[in-house]
Amino acid sequence: GENVEQHPSTLSVQEGDSAVIKCTYSDSASNYFPWYKQELGKRPQLIIDIRSNVGEKKDQRIAVTLNKTAKHFSLHITETQPEDSAVYFCAASNRARGSQGNLIFGKGTKLSVKP
Amino acid sequence: EAQVTQNPRYLITVTGKKLTVTCSQNMNHEYMSWYRQDPGLGLRQIYYSMNVEVTDKGDVPEGYKVSRKEKRNFPLILESPSPNQTSLYFCASSLALSSGGEQYFGPGTRLTVT
Repeated sequence: GENVEQHPSTLSVQEGDSAVIKCTYSDSASNYFPWYKQELGKRPQLIIDIRSNVGEKKDQRIAVTLNKTAKHFSLHITETQPEDSAVYFCAASNRARGSQGNLIFGKGTKLSVKP
Repeated sequence: EAQVTQNPRYLITVTGKKLTVTCSQNMNHEYMSWYRQDPGLGLRQIYYSMNVEVTDKGDVPEGYKVSRKEKRNFPLILESPSPNQTSLYFCASSLALSSGGEQYFGPGTRLTVT
């Protein structure tokens, strides 16, 4: 089955700097890669996702890149702000019709943005 | 308002006392799932359901049961809770997986088993 590794487990940056979180996956059939943000005491919420037919996707200060050959994908946050402080989870799944399609999550990265 | 709801939000119980955590969604989603979240372990899937009367085991199903008699509800049942089931539980739902789309999470249920 799919296995997702996420690094680093904790990340501390100064406000305004960039933050990068990396994930690797094992199942080459995986084709959907979402990123979730979980603020303290709250539920995970989707912030961006990418499908395997795209190499990069950007939404304002957040971008995700995907390297299918190497089976890794990364979250990039530019111009970080204190409100970006949270735990971020990557996930992978195979969303082809007929597949199980369940999301397999990484173990999370706790991002702290210092003012 | 489109949402996933869970009840109760907090529960303290004793070993062996059966309990049910309810989950309901109002978005007509086919897919529903239960996760547990433990420090350092991320989100691990317990059970999922692709549609009414269709359920299957996730990665950590031992000690749990589910049912999907209606599209909107997906209760999680602990027949004989044990302390190692102390955790934060999330229910989630989405459209059929092949349709793509976001998985929406409920607010979470913090369970303590003593």
